[in-house]
Parts: sequence; C-alpha cells; structure tokens
Amino acid sequence: ETGVTQSPTHLIKTRGQQVTLRCSSQSGHNTVSWYQQALGQGPQFIFQYYREEENGRGNFPPRFSGLQFPNYSSELNVNALELDDSALYLCASSLGTEQETQYFGPGTRLLVL
Amino acid sequence: AQSVTQLGSHVSVSEGALVLLRCNYSSSVPPYLFWYVQYPNQGLQLLLKYTSAATLVKGINGFEAEFKKSETSFHLTKPSAHMRDAAEYFCAVSEATGRRALTFGSGTRLQVQP
Repeated sequence: ETGVTQSPTHLIKTRGQQVTLRCSSQSGHNTVSWYQQALGQGPQFIFQYYREEENGRGNFPPRFSGLQFPNYSSELNVNALELDDSALYLCASSLGTEQETQYFGPGTRLLVL
Repeated sequence: AQSVTQLGSHVSVSEGALVLLRCNYSSSVPPYLFWYVQYPNQGLQLLLKYTSAATLVKGINGFEAEFKKSETSFHLTKPSAHMRDAAEYFCAVSEATGRRALTFGSGTRLQVQP
C-alpha cells in the first residue's frame, strides 16, 4: 500500500510569483485535505477535495486554489505569493468524507523571498 | 467553532520518566480527537484517536490518551519515555460529521534527556 506522497519536497519562490504543489493520495483514498503549517505553529486547514469537488474551505484567501483529478491526486495553487506564505504545506488523504482518520504526506516546504 | 489548547509548548523529561502532554478542546458537538507526532523535517504520523468508543485510547509506541468530557481534556501519556520519543506532538479535533477538517493545537515539543 502506497502512502501519501508530495512533490516537490522544497521550493523557493519570490514574492508575487505563483506556485503549484502536488499530492498523491494513499491508495483507495478519494478525499484530500490541504493544510498550511507555519514555523512553530500547528497546521491550519486550507481546503478539502472530495471526488474532484471542493468540499469545504478554511480561512484562506481566493489566491489559494486547488484541483483534484480523477485518480484523486491533487494540486494546491497559490497565486501572488506573499512572504507570509512561507510554510510547510501538508496534504492528507482519507477514505471518503465520513472517515475520520486523515493520513499525512511528508509535506512541501515553501520559502518565499 | 472548535479550538484546541495545548498547555506547555516545551516539555522535558528524563529517559524512563512519565510523559504527560496536555490537551484541552472546545467543540459545540461531540468531537473526534487525535494525537499526531511530527519528527524533524517530516509530516504528521497518527498516534491515536478517540471516536466516541472507549474513553481510554491506546496508540502506537506505548502512548495512550483518556477522553474526559467533564474536563474537555484529552491528555497524552506514556509510562516510560524513550530517546526516540523526542518530537513535536499535536492534538487535533474534528467534528463527528461533515467534512472532518482538523483543527490543531499549537504543538508541544517533547525533549527526552538521557
């Protein structure tokens, strides 16, 4: 059974640029959630995708957007990067929205200069 | 709205000593509760979860937690700390229905002294 994978592992961008982060969910999982973890803080919920549709969103601006593909992999896109977007971005997958346990990937560390 | 408070951003124990990491939550509906561990430069690994079954939950690596509704607490314990337990620990809450988005506490860094 393959776990949750994310790419790239590290990324450096400059303010104003756009970035795309990728996530492959655990085998059989159709729900993907994205979280932002700033340095020294707990993860914060960005949004969730279930069967290719957005299924809830946290307190993040519209420049944070996402996609889920038919194979349930997912992308997180961030436009107009700001310095405060520097963080570890975590993807978590679960089997349906009713399954309570989310399994996390290793994360993508984004640095915005 | 849900929230999680983890008391103590840093906890230091000696190897072999009791580990106690505190977590209090607030939720307007019966919650699901989780403890995750994060090792340096890694993602989150699930330690254990409470989903309204037994109030004493046993997890991996010898950890356990007790759900106390009257105290709105879900403290994490381990009888005897090991060096490999040094990591960041996060308590999280989700609603029992709906999208199940996790709300995390700010984390507790556990240091284990030899």
